[in-house]
Amino acid sequence: AQSVTQLGSHVSVSEGALVLLRCNYSSSVPPYLFWYVQYPNQGLQLLLKYTSAATLVKGINGFEAEFKKSETSFHLTKPSAHMSDAAEYFCAVSDPNFGNEKLTFGTGTRLTIIP
Amino acid sequence: DAGVTQSPTHLIKTRGQQVTLRCSPKSGHDTVSWYQQALGQGPQFIFQYYEEEERQRGNFPDRFSGHQFPNYSSELNVNALLLGDSALYLCASSSPPPNYGYTFGSGTRLTVV
Repeated sequence: AQSVTQLGSHVSVSEGALVLLRCNYSSSVPPYLFWYVQYPNQGLQLLLKYTSAATLVKGINGFEAEFKKSETSFHLTKPSAHMSDAAEYFCAVSDPNFGNEKLTFGTGTRLTIIP
Repeated sequence: DAGVTQSPTHLIKTRGQQVTLRCSPKSGHDTVSWYQQALGQGPQFIFQYYEEEERQRGNFPDRFSGHQFPNYSSELNVNALLLGDSALYLCASSSPPPNYGYTFGSGTRLTVV
């Protein structure tokens, strides 16, 4: 069984400040991990993914995440927030074994950027 | 390169009715998954289709059924609609490892009245 916990349903940061969105996972097998962004009334857009290669993963729009097995974490960061980053962010985990690849999502973190 | 296409974008149905949602996967993807996203929640896995067979299923009742066609497109059917079925229904297509990844469509917003 797999699960994801996103700490903080709402996060507010000032424009230009560091963005840190937290994600902890639970998995019985080495997981694949993902961060998705969702803008209002839209689908999900992949920001980045960890698939057992480099533990520091760089994604689109300046975001990156680090897989830390010892902490079972996959926190999302961005050095400098932009107004366009305001959105809902979802962390997700999957079992990479063929036939078991469904995504299990966290409850999401709404990011607000303060001008 | 077209991504995942879902239709319709919005629809309104009455309790007890049946609905069919459609999804065309991204070119090169052979696996289609469906997710339900209730307002303010994360997406919940409904089921996954591969080679026209249901391969994995989440915790959803039998009122939810699906189909995958030889061209990899897929349908989600929901019978005997309940008010609680109102949600955004997302389709995702994926490619197998090592080029593993999911691409989501923009979803179908279903409102049951």
